Amino acid sequence: DSGVTQTPKHLITATGQRVTLRCSPRSGDLSVYWYQQSLDQGLQFLIQYYNGEERAKGNILERFSAQQFPDLHSELNLSSLELGDSALYFCASNTGDPSYEQYFGPGTRLTVT
Amino acid sequence: EDKVVQSPLSLVVHEGDTVTLNCSYEVTNFRSLLWYKQEKKAPTFLFMLTSSGIEKKSGRLSSILDKKELFSILNITATQTGDSAIYLCAVDGGSTLGRLYFGRGTQLTVWP
Repeated sequence: DSGVTQTPKHLITATGQRVTLRCSPRSGDLSVYWYQQSLDQGLQFLIQYYNGEERAKGNILERFSAQQFPDLHSELNLSSLELGDSALYFCASNTGDPSYEQYFGPGTRLTVT
Repeated sequence: EDKVVQSPLSLVVHEGDTVTLNCSYEVTNFRSLLWYKQEKKAPTFLFMLTSSGIEKKSGRLSSILDKKELFSILNITATQTGDSAIYLCAVDGGSTLGRLYFGRGTQLTVWP
């Protein structure tokens, strides 16, 4: 158990809908990272937050957005969902110092039908 | 474009065999290379390598980095069925601090 929690575990929804994925980092970690893992793309970095502020952006679509709240939990919002958005979404956390490894949560499996 | 390439994509061995997994990278502003093991769900951290030539070891697993040739290897000796997993290589580099570039992974299957 990494100490990073994610909810829900599984999510099935229809195309065009909007969902919110939630992540709570390990105690003491200030930074949260979101990743998408699909069969054809592997693990792709989406976005990073540090202490409430966006720090880095990766391959995140405009239909996706995220935020980190004062209690340091983070939410990833996915809207206008398409079939291709079906994937495992991971959240990871660390102190924010890149010299420390990132600890991954159990992931949320999103299925868009 | 920054990229990380792992080989082989898939490997099937018998218990007791030794395996070597490869990871090559082309990432600007290299800071570190990390190995993760992914079983059913979340990747779990194995090693972080920052310096060339220094082997990191944990039980039957070891890893080394060559920053001149831009690659790393992960060795697993005396494999067990519990080693069956996807092994992911990631590089922290590029213009964004803390952004990890992942390879596609090597699927290792160990047969009893």
